[in-house]
Amino acid sequence: DQQVKQNSPSLSVQEGRISILNCDYTNSMFDYFLWYKKYPAEGPTFLISISSIKDKNEDGRFTVFLNKSAKHLSLHIVPSQPGDSAVYFCAASGYTGNQFYFGTGTSLTVIP
Amino acid sequence: GAVVSQHPSRVICKSGTSVKIECRSLDFQATTMFWYRQFPKQSLMLMATSNEGSKATYEQGVEKDKFLINHASLTLSTLTVTSAHPEDSSFYICSASTRASYGYTFGSGTRLTVV
Repeated sequence: DQQVKQNSPSLSVQEGRISILNCDYTNSMFDYFLWYKKYPAEGPTFLISISSIKDKNEDGRFTVFLNKSAKHLSLHIVPSQPGDSAVYFCAASGYTGNQFYFGTGTSLTVIP
Repeated sequence: GAVVSQHPSRVICKSGTSVKIECRSLDFQATTMFWYRQFPKQSLMLMATSNEGSKATYEQGVEKDKFLINHASLTLSTLTVTSAHPEDSSFYICSASTRASYGYTFGSGTRLTVV
């Protein structure tokens, strides 16, 4: 069963607006979460992470929010830029870091 | 939902031996399988792509004779690390997609340690 889910396969946002990508997980033992960005024909590149001791982590235009009680995390991109158009994956792991569980991705299109 | 099972999750092997990692799509047919290696900073490096019925396409810099990929069926792909060296120690992860799907389903990864 899919332990990490991204229920929106695609998202379109106007340039300059906020993009919000969502991710839900089922395993309460997950304590480390990551977001990756993927361009066609390339591997996913690491974007931002958050551990379960925090509820927010910010890096420039990217902010990840974690709601442990709801088992939900989200990635906010503001302002969105056309170069942000890509597929975004969330991933989660437990304390051993030996296994990562990925969502199936959300394709973001930022419209100029 | 679509599930990809990857085994083993963790393996320790001696230098010079070979290790096989399996990746199975459990409830769908994977027309394309991707193999990645995770490097520091958590980015995943695409090693190779294998499509149904054809040989794997390796990315530049990946030794095809060292990292053997077999897409044996629509539900199984294997990565064999041959003559493993300590520098091959890493986290390897597969993902699968189908023609009908725009998404990628990832395995849970294999932590390889070569001693």
